[in-house]
Amino acid sequence: NAGVTQTPKFQVLKTGQSMTLQCAQDMNHEYMSWYRQDPGMGLRLIHYSVGAGITDQGEVPNGYNVSRSTTEDFPLRLLSAAPSQTSVYFCASNLQGASEQYFGPGTRLTVT
Amino acid sequence: QKEVEQDPGPLSVPEGAIVSLNCTYSNSAFQYFMWYRQYSRKGPELLMYTYSSGNKEDGRFTAQVDKSSKYISLFIRDSQPSDSATYLCAMSAYFGNTDKLIFGTGTRLQVFP
Repeated sequence: NAGVTQTPKFQVLKTGQSMTLQCAQDMNHEYMSWYRQDPGMGLRLIHYSVGAGITDQGEVPNGYNVSRSTTEDFPLRLLSAAPSQTSVYFCASNLQGASEQYFGPGTRLTVT
Repeated sequence: QKEVEQDPGPLSVPEGAIVSLNCTYSNSAFQYFMWYRQYSRKGPELLMYTYSSGNKEDGRFTAQVDKSSKYISLFIRDSQPSDSATYLCAMSAYFGNTDKLIFGTGTRLQVFP
């Protein structure tokens, strides 16, 4: 099993550009989540999904969109990048309700 | 006040030392307690997962939960340079029909030879 995979590993965007961060898991987990990690702030939940077709907002959802058309994939879209979105983004998955999450390797995003 | 408080460190110890990492929390509804280890430029990986108060041991690692004091700890015995990483505590609970998982900000640990 590859576990949770994320692409790209690094990305530089200009303010106003849009892009999609990809996340996939092969563990047949129902739950998937997107976090951002900033110094001194810890991991903050952006959006999450409890199954295909079902998504919900986390703590810091503004400026991001998600969709979940399959169990395996959970892409995160930045609609119009801003410097405040410079961060490391982690995708995670877990079995229903157990909360033991498995993380991907992260995407380092810089917005100039 | 944050729901989960964790000293960011850094904590620097010599090889072989016993390390104690701690978190406090304010919400008594938290039921599940986890410790994640995160190496530089990597994703967090689960180290320990506990449900009840008391101790849970796994090799050199011991997780301790004191629900009455709202305090959790991770002890590392015979620490090794390979233990150098950031350690994040996390805790979760069911609220209605959703889970809530909150992470601490992480403590950076450096073990020097």
